[in-house]
Amino acid sequence: QQQVKQSPQSLIVQKGGISIINCAYENTAFDYFPWYQQFPGKGPALLIAIRPDVSEKKEGRFTISFNKSAKQFSLHIMDSQPGDSATYFCAASSGGGADGLTFGKGTHLIIQP
Amino acid sequence: DSGVTQTPKHLITATGQRVTLRCSPRSGDLSVYWYQQSLDQGLQFLIQYYNGEERAKGNILERFSAQQFPDLHSELNLSSLELGDSALYFCASSLKTGRLSGANVLTFGAGSRLTVL
Repeated sequence: QQQVKQSPQSLIVQKGGISIINCAYENTAFDYFPWYQQFPGKGPALLIAIRPDVSEKKEGRFTISFNKSAKQFSLHIMDSQPGDSATYFCAASSGGGADGLTFGKGTHLIIQP
Repeated sequence: DSGVTQTPKHLITATGQRVTLRCSPRSGDLSVYWYQQSLDQGLQFLIQYYNGEERAKGNILERFSAQQFPDLHSELNLSSLELGDSALYFCASSLKTGRLSGANVLTFGAGSRLTVL
């Protein structure tokens, strides 16, 4: 049973455009929703995270939108740059943090110059 | 450099063999997590240790085992290897566990790529 469903599997965006990656979860006990960014040959690195008491969190060009009733959250990358080309993972956990993180299957993002 | 060190970076072995992957957590981190990354399954949580004790188990096969030593480094042992065990194995660490910290961030190492022939 896949507890966090991520889409699309791959995404190509023009430089300067908006990249949008979506995730849906099933477990209503989840209370921590991070996004991780992974470059080839590297491990995933935390990009931004949100808790369900807010509907949006913004850090620079990266924004998480969270819809608790729909059990969905999404990552928006504004003004996408070639350096943003990477694999992005959404994740979710209950208990407030890193324990028991369930990851989506990842989105391979390519930003074309 | 994330501060989490994994060795070896690459490992090629044959079916039926046994390998050990090693992880040194970031300085000061007490919790170690092991994840398996494959193309079709994504990142799968295997097991977590906190200060030497097993904390949580995920989708870890009985052929796999792990431990965390007093110096906090961890080893993941994979035995009776099968072709399907070929994957990237990531170690991650965090300072605390559970609700003890408001922002309990996972820091990943660069991974160990295992190829079983």
